[in-house]
Amino acid sequence: QVQLVESGGGVVQPGRSLRLSCAASGFTFNTYAIQWVRQAPGKGLEWVAVISYDGNNKYYADSVKGRFTISRDNSRNTLYLHMNSLNTEDTAVYYCARDGRGGMGTFDYWGQGTLVTVSS
Amino acid sequence: DIVMTQTPLSSPVTLGQPASISCRSSQSLVHTDGNTYLSWLQQRPGQPPRLLIYKVSNRFSGVPDRFSGSGAATDFTLKISRVEAEDVGVYYCMQATQFPHTFGQGTKLEIK
Repeated sequence: QVQLVESGGGVVQPGRSLRLSCAASGFTFNTYAIQWVRQAPGKGLEWVAVISYDGNNKYYADSVKGRFTISRDNSRNTLYLHMNSLNTEDTAVYYCARDGRGGMGTFDYWGQGTLVTVSS
Repeated sequence: DIVMTQTPLSSPVTLGQPASISCRSSQSLVHTDGNTYLSWLQQRPGQPPRLLIYKVSNRFSGVPDRFSGSGAATDFTLKISRVEAEDVGVYYCMQATQFPHTFGQGTKLEIK
């Protein structure tokens, strides 16, 4: 079955960096675009970034552009989010989600999320 | 960026009764390819989001047929024909027609 498992979250000081991972299984990873979506504590969902199936196309939310980098290793079935210059507003649960065959926005499978807390 | 506005933000519903959530976008969600990339997601307490509806009215696999989506251009609706206890949670609309993708604020569905 399709599984997405995020890892790498934790407590980090403002200004520092962190790398999140999303390990995929149960499907042909290199044929799907994958997104990162985050949710601050008690708040709604915020789309963060997407990477195409082959890694050639990437798009970002304005709030993370220039600080976050999405990447993937199709040989390892793994998605990454490199986060630099973190600030308290980046505190959130970070989910990876697959963009399914129904077209853009068909976020058909989600991981359980990994919590990033930015605090001094 | 496209702004997605949901109403109501909170919806107390009696079990077995219908519920309806509206979602309005600040500009048309019709893509140049002719599709409208408007999705609805459900988030139960303590759970990740779950896809219910994609491209306005397409029910995702395994989603009960009491959920339906409709609308066009800038106005969209999610309807639940008869609310069940397991439907409690927050519902989000989301547009993927344009980058950045954007979500509505969420509508909390609760049982009266």
